[in-house]
Amino acid sequence: LAKTTQPISMDSYEGQEVNITCSHNNIATNDYITWYQQFPSQGPRFIIQGYKTKVTNEVASLFIPADRKSSTLSLPRVSLSDTAVYYCLVGDSDGGATNKLIFGTGTLLAVQP
Amino acid sequence: KAGVTQTPRYLIKTRGQQVTLSCSPISGHRSVSWYQQTPGQGLQFLFEYFSETQRNKGNFPGRFSGRQFSNSRSEMNVSTLELGDSALYLCASSFPGTSGNYNEQFFGPGTRLTVL
Repeated sequence: LAKTTQPISMDSYEGQEVNITCSHNNIATNDYITWYQQFPSQGPRFIIQGYKTKVTNEVASLFIPADRKSSTLSLPRVSLSDTAVYYCLVGDSDGGATNKLIFGTGTLLAVQP
Repeated sequence: KAGVTQTPRYLIKTRGQQVTLSCSPISGHRSVSWYQQTPGQGLQFLFEYFSETQRNKGNFPGRFSGRQFSNSRSEMNVSTLELGDSALYLCASSFPGTSGNYNEQFFGPGTRLTVL
């Protein structure tokens, strides 16, 4: 079974780059790795998704090594409004016909002025 | 385009009762997934429905069930409620790719269930 691990919390200052890593072993070989952001009292919001190597969009970059046992979300120049909990989401293959999704434990990012 | 809606937003039940939660996906989305979020266990995947069929399932007991209708709306049911079922239940919809490629999921605001 897949298991995911994220740092519980991280602190940063406005304008800095923040890298959050999720360790995930035994993920499904055909599944993408996705990152979400969640604010209090709201559902998670999609940030970025990738399968391998590097993906970049207008808000973040995602780095995935060849063994896909981890992924790193990179947030450039964070602001106060980036204070939130960040989750990785991976697929877990039990070898059968169905997959299940597993969220990481979540990382609370606190951005200071 | 309207977002994912969930009803009710808040619910209080007592142990032993059953509850049904509803989720209306974004128009055009055919995949609906359900998650349970608690402070202790975090976000846990319950199940995913696509074209009225359960496509994937997490590790929850049979008391947790769901279904999807032809218009892609979904309901989840929890029978014989336990105190530990108190949680935020989130629904997410997506326009799915092949199984295993979970395209961007759009989450609703959740239903806060309290079991007394």
